Amino acid sequence: GAGVSQSPSNKVTEKGKDVELRCDPISGHTALYWYRQSLGQGLEFLIYFQGNSAPDKSGLPSDRFSAERTGGSVSTLTIQRTQQEDSAVYLCASSVGYLGTPSRPFYEQYFGPGTRLTVT
Amino acid sequence: AQSVTQLDSQVPVFEEAPVELRCNYSSSVSVYLFWYVQYPNQGLQLLLKYLSGSTLVESINGFEAEFNKSQTSFHLRKPSVHISDTAEYFCAVIVPGGSQGNLIFGKGTKLSVKP
Repeated sequence: GAGVSQSPSNKVTEKGKDVELRCDPISGHTALYWYRQSLGQGLEFLIYFQGNSAPDKSGLPSDRFSAERTGGSVSTLTIQRTQQEDSAVYLCASSVGYLGTPSRPFYEQYFGPGTRLTVT
Repeated sequence: AQSVTQLDSQVPVFEEAPVELRCNYSSSVSVYLFWYVQYPNQGLQLLLKYLSGSTLVESINGFEAEFNKSQTSFHLRKPSVHISDTAEYFCAVIVPGGSQGNLIFGKGTKLSVKP
């Protein structure tokens, strides 16, 4: 079946502009994650959505970053007033979330190809 | 808090040689462990995982990793590497049942297999 998709694959923007990055998770996956991959910092967690629960925003680096997930499916990561240090590959991942009865967490995350953001 | 250390940022090896990519973690609670692989210009793919049971886990392409609780390690090994194994390998942990659902990654090890 289709995997996690992200768009655009590449984005070049000028410092100070806003950008939106999109993630389409695997159909039926209730959990969605955003990570950032940059040189020197490795892979950093940004935000986590699980079903209809309030998102875990503990990894967002500043209030310029925000994300939403509409209808429990597609997610958009927005970066306002971009800075050069925002240049990175932004990765989205999804997971089944919970399995079985009683439900138990399912921990395997499936990653999209990423969006490479370059701020000039 | 949890952390993951991958001691080697780069590992060059010759084809058909054995390789070990080291991973150590720090956590005050039990964790689940994962190895992800990122081939050039591709996304992350799950290579193998340890959740419970046998401490030795294997992947379909010949890699294996052993969970060692006393040494807090989850080293990745392959007895004979191929050119196609050239990639970046990431070790990661997650706290089962924790309030956060995210993976915590090491900084990655670039494996370069030379002919």
